Amino acid sequence: RKEVEQDPGPFNVPEGATVAFNCTYSNSASQSFFWYRQDCRKEPKLLMSVYSSGNEDGRFTAQLNRASQYISLLIRDSKLSDSATYLCVVSPYYNQGGKLIFGQGTELSVKP
Amino acid sequence: EPEVTQTPSHQVTQMGQEVILRCVPISNHLYFYWYRQILGQKVEFLVSFYNNEISEKSEIFDDQFSVERPDGSNFTLKIRSTKLEDSAMYFCASTRGNQPQHFGDGTRLSIL
Repeated sequence: RKEVEQDPGPFNVPEGATVAFNCTYSNSASQSFFWYRQDCRKEPKLLMSVYSSGNEDGRFTAQLNRASQYISLLIRDSKLSDSATYLCVVSPYYNQGGKLIFGQGTELSVKP
Repeated sequence: EPEVTQTPSHQVTQMGQEVILRCVPISNHLYFYWYRQILGQKVEFLVSFYNNEISEKSEIFDDQFSVERPDGSNFTLKIRSTKLEDSAMYFCASTRGNQPQHFGDGTRLSIL
């Protein structure tokens, strides 16, 4: 079983659509959870950390369900500039000093 | 905003040759990492470095790989005898430990 599993997509959506990405992780001892964004052949960039209480940053909402080992990302009112690959990332450590374990990413393409 | 910088942006090397990839982490960061991403695949952890020693390494990081922080600012990854399968993007990352990891824009390594 993969450590972090995501639907690879691609997700093709029109501008203004709402899109949801799902992710599952296999290690129940995982402590830290993130969504990163990666543009084509560029470095991963942190989109947001994910907390059990859920968190929102503008059009982006992330949720964590530790019991189900499931992480989600919701993007509302999608923009052309949201087109990228979204990486679900997990760390076995509570602080940021530990390694990051990446999913293979879900590709999003937002069309006019 | 401070950045992690990596050089060179693209390195082409003959199989069997040694290669050194260089990174300058953000100046007040304490933890340093190398990740790699083979074309079309997920980002994979290679090694983490703290307090002038390796704190964790993956199965990929075998005896052909080494890391060094020679002068307190640079952080290098050396591959002693490159193989075709070492062709990938190599990302350096750093963090203070209580914040998310910041990634450099990567070195594309091409082994001929």
